[in-house]
Amino acid sequence: DTGVSQNPRHKITKRGQNVTFRCDPISEHNRLYWYRQTLGQGPEFLTYFQNEAQLEKSRLLSDRFSAERPKGSFSTLEIQRTEQGDSAMYLCASSLGDPPDTQYFGPGTRLTVL
Amino acid sequence: AQSVAQPEDQVNVAEGNPLTVKCTYSVSGNPYLFWYVQYPNRGLQFLLKYITGDNLVKGSYGFEAEFNKSQTSFHLKKPSALVSDSALYFCAVRVNTGGFKTIFGAGTRLFVKA
Repeated sequence: DTGVSQNPRHKITKRGQNVTFRCDPISEHNRLYWYRQTLGQGPEFLTYFQNEAQLEKSRLLSDRFSAERPKGSFSTLEIQRTEQGDSAMYLCASSLGDPPDTQYFGPGTRLTVL
Repeated sequence: AQSVAQPEDQVNVAEGNPLTVKCTYSVSGNPYLFWYVQYPNRGLQFLLKYITGDNLVKGSYGFEAEFNKSQTSFHLKKPSALVSDSALYFCAVRVNTGGFKTIFGAGTRLFVKA
């Protein structure tokens, strides 16, 4: 399977714990996006990378959230001191970066904060 | 403000009948528009895109979309619905914010009844 993969698929944690998610994009794609999706809503943009550079972050992304893409391949999204409001599906997408920048999505990581 | 609206939370159609899922947008400049479909517990799958040129765009699984610049709409259509088309559909627009990000609508749930 050469699509976007995300791990873990499900994560249950207690409030206040830290969690880290991983995204492996399609190999030739140089852009990588993170989104958050809650029930009944479309994906909300969080941040994106062009190769290893993080180019834009949403104001939704509080200081507790950090993302990295150290070698321009896989990416991690870490949430520190999780809160119940962080419960959501976290989606990763990748693209070639050339217009129109069609994004291809992974299956997502569903986070539940108890 | 740049935005995407899907005015219908849900669309119901009988199998074999034509279907339309509506989308309107508000962006500055010429838009890049997309439709994605999401099945339960899955990531988003790309259906089709509009860049420029013909106003009628054809995509995967027999879907097509009609771009109307004067009405700022990009409605998704299919001549004959299948039960397997039942899913959540998202319209999206790529916006230039200095960087580039994609804004998604809230989604429309399509029910196709046998």
